[in-house]
Amino acid sequence: GNSVTQMEGPVTLSEEAFLTINCTYTATGYPSLFWYVQYPGEGLQLLLKATKADDKGSNKGFEATYRKETTSFHLEKGSVQVSDSAVYFCALRTSGTYKYIFGTGTRLKVLA
Amino acid sequence: GAVVSQHPSRVICKSGTSVKIECRSLDFQATTMFWYRQFPKKSLMLMATSNEGSKATYEQGVEKDKFLINHASLTLSTLTVTSAHPEDSSFYICSAIRDSRPSHTQGSRSPYGYTFGSGTRLTVV
Repeated sequence: GNSVTQMEGPVTLSEEAFLTINCTYTATGYPSLFWYVQYPGEGLQLLLKATKADDKGSNKGFEATYRKETTSFHLEKGSVQVSDSAVYFCALRTSGTYKYIFGTGTRLKVLA
Repeated sequence: GAVVSQHPSRVICKSGTSVKIECRSLDFQATTMFWYRQFPKKSLMLMATSNEGSKATYEQGVEKDKFLINHASLTLSTLTVTSAHPEDSSFYICSAIRDSRPSHTQGSRSPYGYTFGSGTRLTVV
């Protein structure tokens, strides 16, 4: 079946450090891939997405590239800020459906 | 953007009682809403798809009689955990898809028309 695996947290970084959160997936067909972010006390917000191989999603300095050959969609940011502290969820959605498959979420804590 | 309000954000209840969680789309109509559950250190798992005016579609392994879903209007879906037990303690989150019909209110749309609520932390003691 379809599944998403992402690195366990928590991840603690100093401000301006480089961030990578790994995400790999298993899916039949050609899913769309997503990163959602959940700030404290808020709902999940879409951070970025990619719909086909080699697509790069980007938003707010975050990037992720859809790598079909490695079935990965790692999230990166060159310089994190304290305000980036949140839980990040990797997810996939197969075409023709609104059903999401989520990873376990990775908590990021950025220290000033 | 589109807003989904979920209430309550936290609830503690005694074993054997029932708890109702509300999910409202504040500025758009949602014919379809989804209910997810997250166990500690595990993924968000889809529990059921809630369709306005019809019965919910439950995922395999989810007890229909335990988790009652009602989607009586285009802006409200409720999840009732009946006869709650400590193992029902979890984080529940809803999401809604913006309806294709025009909303009667102004406001920017959520990207891709899919919006999550802020979740409810249920603790059964």
